Amino acid sequence: GAVVSQHPSRVICKSGTSVKIECRSLDFQATTMFWYRQFPKKSLMLMATSNEGSKATYEQGVEKDKFLINHASLTLSTLTVTSAHPEDSSFYICSAPGPETQYFGPGTRLLVL
Amino acid sequence: KNQVEQSPQSLIILEGKNCTLQCNYTVSPFSNLRWYKQDTGRGPVSLTIMTFSENTKSNGRYTATLDADTKQSSLHITASQLSDSASYICVVILSGYALNFGKGTSLLVTP
Repeated sequence: GAVVSQHPSRVICKSGTSVKIECRSLDFQATTMFWYRQFPKKSLMLMATSNEGSKATYEQGVEKDKFLINHASLTLSTLTVTSAHPEDSSFYICSAPGPETQYFGPGTRLLVL
Repeated sequence: KNQVEQSPQSLIILEGKNCTLQCNYTVSPFSNLRWYKQDTGRGPVSLTIMTFSENTKSNGRYTATLDADTKQSSLHITASQLSDSASYICVVILSGYALNFGKGTSLLVTP
């Protein structure tokens, strides 16, 4: 079945550095992908919609200059957390609409020290 | 106020027992309703998908029901296993890609 992968699965970085997270649809094309953030024991919160060939759409309260999104191809979207701070530590999940349903990636655990 | 409410918030059951999770929604009309299972530290995995006109959908030991009149859905797990311990999320899709997430029910199956 359709699979969405994320890389890395977990990352630890120093405060002030930037971190790039990749989201790939492995056997289907996705003109749209979604990025979510999930804090412990909380529901997924949509951050932005990544659109191939155009700018991403950000949800209210999400800083577009801090969370840079690039939909490089029909199978790849990247989320870059710039100048990361400890409060950015979270679980980041991407999803893509596939043949039958919305497919979620396995998530990326980000810890900012 | 969240448009998708799930109950209970958490649940503990013994291995082998059945359980039912509830999802009440106010989103209407909608395209389809989905139940996802999310293991700790992992992304959600689709269990069932029901369109507005469907009443029930099964996937192995998981059976989802939908009552469009009362705007309720349930997920019934039969003969629970330890591996069923996870968070179960109800998602209502308005149209296109507009997803409305419930906060999930955290299920713990104990030996």
